[in-house]
Amino acid sequence: GENVEQHPSTLSVQEGDSAVIKCTYSDSASNYFPWYKQELGKRPQLIIDIRSNVGEKKDQRIAVTLNKTAKHFSLHITETQPEDSAVYFCAAGTYKYIFGTGTRLKVLA
Amino acid sequence: SQTIHQWPATLVQPVGSPLSLECTVEGTSNPNLYWYRQAAGRGLQLLFYSVGIGQISSEVPQNLSASRPQDRQFILSSKKLLLSDSGFYLCAWSPVYGYTFGSGTRLTVV
Repeated sequence: GENVEQHPSTLSVQEGDSAVIKCTYSDSASNYFPWYKQELGKRPQLIIDIRSNVGEKKDQRIAVTLNKTAKHFSLHITETQPEDSAVYFCAAGTYKYIFGTGTRLKVLA
Repeated sequence: SQTIHQWPATLVQPVGSPLSLECTVEGTSNPNLYWYRQAAGRGLQLLFYSVGIGQISSEVPQNLSASRPQDRQFILSSKKLLLSDSGFYLCAWSPVYGYTFGSGTRLTVV
């Protein structure tokens, strides 16, 4: 069945450094790739997304890249801040999405 | 604007008891609706999705069921809960791309 792998499972960075989270997907029909941020005990919130006809998208400190040939996509957070600490999930699909297992990001002040 | 409501927020139920979680969406029509479950410290597992009234697709065979009696209402049910049903249940809706999640129901089966 469809699968999304996400790495790393935990990531600690110093405040101001960059963080990169990587995902791979198996379903070649996937055409939409969202990223969600989930704070403890709360619902996931969409932070950025990319569609299959775009290779890169940026929104302030957050960027996502997509390589459809390799079935890879990545989240890049620059100039990390303590409030970026959370669990981040990638997902892939068409009208329904399979989620990765999550990355717990800790930004150390 | 569109809003999604999910209740209850928390629930403690004994093993073998029934379950009913409700989700409603306002401000849109014919949304795609989804139920996900998140076990403690884990990822999101798609349980059911619906693209219209009475249309339910099951992703994972288990003792849960879903129903969509009205266009903007999605219900998750169980006749007899298991300990393994504990988790954070999230309803979501989608217009075309992307989900908006409800606030979730934290279910503890004891």
